[in-house]
Amino acid sequence: QVQLQESGPGLAKPSQTLSLTCSVSGGSISAGGYYWNWIRQRPGMGLEWMGLIYYTGSTDYSPSLQSRITISLDNSKTQFSLRLRSVTAADTAMYYCARLHTYSRRIDSWGQGTLVTVSS
Amino acid sequence: DIQMTQSPSSQSASVGDRVTITCQTSQDIKYLSWFQQRPGKVPKLLIFGASNLESGVPSRFSGSGSGTEFTLIISSLQPADFGTYYCQQSDSLPYTFGQGTTLDI
Repeated sequence: QVQLQESGPGLAKPSQTLSLTCSVSGGSISAGGYYWNWIRQRPGMGLEWMGLIYYTGSTDYSPSLQSRITISLDNSKTQFSLRLRSVTAADTAMYYCARLHTYSRRIDSWGQGTLVTVSS
Repeated sequence: DIQMTQSPSSQSASVGDRVTITCQTSQDIKYLSWFQQRPGKVPKLLIFGASNLESGVPSRFSGSGSGTEFTLIISSLQPADFGTYYCQQSDSLPYTFGQGTTLDI
């Protein structure tokens, strides 16, 4: 059974870059068949899809974040990462990585989430 | 972007009640999922493809609908069912979620 685990700093300063990593175990990113996503949830708010990456390295991003976001795969293809530039307090959120099955189009696995606070 | 509108935004119900949550989309879609999120927990997939029950999910949950109108039904509400429910579309990018329906038991 695949497991996803987010990691990274829990605090980021305004105007700096937020960087998170999602480690994938029990399954292979390289096997294909899934999109690997970042989804966030601001405190007390709903879920917001941020972007995805496929094992080929192709990406797609939310238009609202397009200018600030980068999702990438590491060389070992066991992790994928999120970089969000020029953060503000509005980027304070729980950040989840999640796997979406390309055929059924269902999000079938989530990480536990990591809270990132943007504050000076 | 495909807009997702859920109703109601919140609802109070009693154990044993039949509960219906609706999701309306701004375009015809096929890949509609429903998630349950309990406070402080990770979202849990209940239904995918509008009407397919995810493995391990109790059969009191069901989904229906097509086009732009979709429904999640809980046939007999249980105490474990409190939380917030979200619909989500994976038809076209960017993927989008409804604003959520909070269910108080």
